[in-house]
Amino acid sequence: RKEVEQDPGPFNVPEGATVAFNCTYSNSASQSFFWYRQDCRKEPKLLMSVYSSGNEDGRFTAQLNRASQYISLLIRDSKLSDSATYLCVVNPGTGRRALTFGSGTRLQVQP
Amino acid sequence: NAGVTQTPKFQVLKTGQSMTLQCAQDMNHEYMSWYRQDPGMGLRLIHYSVGAGITDQGEVPNGYNVSRSTTEDFPLRLLSAAPSQTSVYFCASSYTGNQPQHFGDGTRLSIL
Repeated sequence: RKEVEQDPGPFNVPEGATVAFNCTYSNSASQSFFWYRQDCRKEPKLLMSVYSSGNEDGRFTAQLNRASQYISLLIRDSKLSDSATYLCVVNPGTGRRALTFGSGTRLQVQP
Repeated sequence: NAGVTQTPKFQVLKTGQSMTLQCAQDMNHEYMSWYRQDPGMGLRLIHYSVGAGITDQGEVPNGYNVSRSTTEDFPLRLLSAAPSQTSVYFCASSYTGNQPQHFGDGTRLSIL
């Protein structure tokens, strides 16, 4: 089983739609969780950190469910500019000092 | 601040050649790492460093060497390039391994 798993998509949604991505992680000792965004052939950029209580940044909401070992990203009112690949990132914890990246979920917002 | 700077941005090598990919950061980050990303795949960790003089292997270290003589620089060396090393290479840094990382623009490397 991969340490971090994501549905690769693509998710094709119309502008204005709400879309949600899930990501599961295998190590229950994982300490830190993030969502990154990566545009085609560009470097990944931090979208938001994910906190235990859940957090929101404008149209983006991240949730963490430690019991089920998954994190989610909700995007409301999708814009064309949201089209990108969204990477789920986890620090596995317990002696590991490196982040593990999921393979990403591709989102295509259509006019 | 320049952030994380990678050079070169593009490189073509012949099989068997060696080269060094450069990475520098000006944010006084202790943690630095190298990833490779192949088409349609996620980022795979090659090597990382938690501070000057300390390096460790990641998921795919074979064929690569690193050193960390200063906080700012973390070069990645390909000892004898192979076509399987054709990839996009990203360098990243952060204050600690638990915190979000800042990425460089990437080096697109082709091995013929």
